[in-house]
Amino acid sequence: EAQVTQNPRYLITVTGKKLTVTCSQNMNHEYMSWYRQDPGLGLRQIYYSMNVEVTDKGDVPEGYKVSRKEKRNFPLILESPSPNQTSLYFCASILRAGNNQPQHFGDGTRLSIL
Amino acid sequence: AQRVTQPEKLLSVFKGAPVELKCNYSYSGSPELFWYVQYSRQRLQLLLRHISRESIKGFTADLNKGETSFHLKKPFAQEEDSAMYYCALRDNFNKFYFGSGTKLNVKP
Repeated sequence: EAQVTQNPRYLITVTGKKLTVTCSQNMNHEYMSWYRQDPGLGLRQIYYSMNVEVTDKGDVPEGYKVSRKEKRNFPLILESPSPNQTSLYFCASILRAGNNQPQHFGDGTRLSIL
Repeated sequence: AQRVTQPEKLLSVFKGAPVELKCNYSYSGSPELFWYVQYSRQRLQLLLRHISRESIKGFTADLNKGETSFHLKKPFAQEEDSAMYYCALRDNFNKFYFGSGTKLNVKP
């Protein structure tokens, strides 16, 4: 089944403890993206990647890192998580950006930073 | 700067009534506009995009560059339309901006 898979789905952790949220897609999509969703703010883009080894900052990149070593994977790294990064995170992918292809979203990862 | 504004957090209508979900945007270039929908317990998914000028599940949206709007409309709402709706914009650098969402509740 074609899909975007995020892990973990839920995580409770403490301030400063490095964590990684994985995202994998099996559709050979070039474009991948991370969003955070907060009440009243909708989805805000954190980072995106047009293709392997190409990443760019979205609207709210502070406190996050990403890498795109392989086409299918786009992990989100929080080197030193803080409570203001408590949020619901979505990964998404597009076949190719720029031609109005739909974004395919994962199920979301709910992070709680204590 | 917020590029996409959805002024209504919640919109309640009765089944069979017309519905309009508002979306205004702010962008000086040539944006691509989309509507995404999230039904209960499902993933966020594309509903329609302005470039296609399509009608999906009875919904339409017209890009009005003069008013910088991309309102979503349906002449007769159905109960199964109840969901969270997000307006989104893609800029010339392939960044995406989403509105804060409107929850549509269609009452029987």
